[in-house]
Amino acid sequence: ETGVTQTPRHLVMGMTNKKSLKCEQHLGHNAMYWYKQSAKKPLELMFVYSLEERVENNSVPSRFSPECPNSSHLFLHLHTLQPEDSALYLCASSQDSSGVETDTQYFGPGTRLTVL
Amino acid sequence: EDQVTQSPEALRLQEGESSSLNCSYTVSGLRGLFWYRQDPGKGPEFLFTLYSAGEEKEKERLKATLTKKESFLHITAPKPEDSATYLCAVQANSGGYQKVTFGIGTKLQVIP
Repeated sequence: ETGVTQTPRHLVMGMTNKKSLKCEQHLGHNAMYWYKQSAKKPLELMFVYSLEERVENNSVPSRFSPECPNSSHLFLHLHTLQPEDSALYLCASSQDSSGVETDTQYFGPGTRLTVL
Repeated sequence: EDQVTQSPEALRLQEGESSSLNCSYTVSGLRGLFWYRQDPGKGPEFLFTLYSAGEEKEKERLKATLTKKESFLHITAPKPEDSATYLCAVQANSGGYQKVTFGIGTKLQVIP
C-alpha cells in the first residue's frame, strides 16, 4: 500500500448505529487530518492530530469521535448521526504541522457516508 | 478570517481550447498556496505548492502562477482526461498550527 488509504470506501448507516472510519498513511508523516466534504461547500476541517496529539477540533459535534493510536493510523468513530452528516469524509496527512514550514497535505480516497 | 474564492464555478472547454482558472485569496501570513485536482467520488490529488508571489510551476498541460492576491491555473490544449474539479487552498500561520482554507473549486469539463 502506498500513500493514504481509507476504509470503508462506502458506508450506509442508520441514525442509531455505531461505526468507525479508518485511515492509514504510508508516507512517514507526523500529522493527520479529518475533513468533511459536502456538495457545493469547501472542505471543512474536523480534526487535526500532530504526533498523535489532537491540536485542533473545529467545533465538531460530539457524535464524531476521533482516535489516533499512532502517527500512521487515524480513526473516526461515529454514533447517533443525523442525515445531514451524509458526506464524503476525507483523511489527509502531512509531514509537519508545527507551523515552522509550509506543509502540503496528501489525501486519501475518502469514505462516502450515507445516514438514513 | 482567511478566505479563498475560485472562479468560475464551472468551465466547459473544447479539447485544445486553452483557458485559466482563478483563485483569489485573503489571508494573514501566507505560508503557501496549493492546487489539487479531484475526480468524482475520490480524494483530492496534489498538484502544486506555491510559496511566494512571482513563483510559477508546471506539470504537463498545467501551469500555476501566484501573485500577492491571486493564483491562476493555466490549462494549455486540454484533453478530456483533464476533466475534474480543481481546488485551491491557502495555508497560513495561526498560533503555531498551520490552518488550511479551501475554495469550493472549479469544475472543468473538456469536450472531445
